[in-house]
Amino acid sequence: EAGVTQSPTHLIKTRGQQATLRCSPISGHTSVYWYQQALGLGLQFLLWYDEGEERNRGNFPPRFSGRQFPNYSSELNVNALELEDSALYLCASSLDTGGETQYFGPGTRLLVL
Amino acid sequence: SQQGEEDPQALSIQEGENATMNCSYKTSINNLQWYRQNSGRGLVHLILIRSNEREKHSGRLRVTLDTSKKSSSLLITASRAADTASYFCATERSGANSKLTFGKGITLSVRP
Repeated sequence: EAGVTQSPTHLIKTRGQQATLRCSPISGHTSVYWYQQALGLGLQFLLWYDEGEERNRGNFPPRFSGRQFPNYSSELNVNALELEDSALYLCASSLDTGGETQYFGPGTRLLVL
Repeated sequence: SQQGEEDPQALSIQEGENATMNCSYKTSINNLQWYRQNSGRGLVHLILIRSNEREKHSGRLRVTLDTSKKSSSLLITASRAADTASYFCATERSGANSKLTFGKGITLSVRP
């Protein structure tokens, strides 16, 4: 069974541009989570989608947004990129809500120049 | 501020020794999970312990949870060089609707 996949693996953008990151959950998983892992800051929760709706949001500005498609895959969009957005962006999926184990993808490394 | 805080921040041991890592948290939780990350890659789930459990085992891993002290420990027995990685604890707060809060992680180095 395929795990969580993310694309692209690496992304280089310049300040002010927009970035789109994609995630495909494990087959059968309906919940998708996005995390940002910046150097020295640990994992910071970004967004949680379930059944196509945003269920929870971390402490990030509105230029971080996303969506979940009918096939449960998800996109994370970051507008007006800033240098400090450079980080590893991790996507995770889970079978259901309510305390289930989250399975992580390999991440997209975003570098903003 | 971080909900889960791991201790120590870094740990270096010899192969064959046991590694003990601790995690403290601040609020009531539904469960606590430990994850492992190799070299800035994706996280791998190791073990989940629910708030009504006190101890859990999985292979060479032993996790304890003390809800009165709001703390957990992860013990890796008979460590191997391949256990070298960063280890994170993550908590799902009561009523937090599946949001996991991660600590900053512990860097474990196992010397061959």
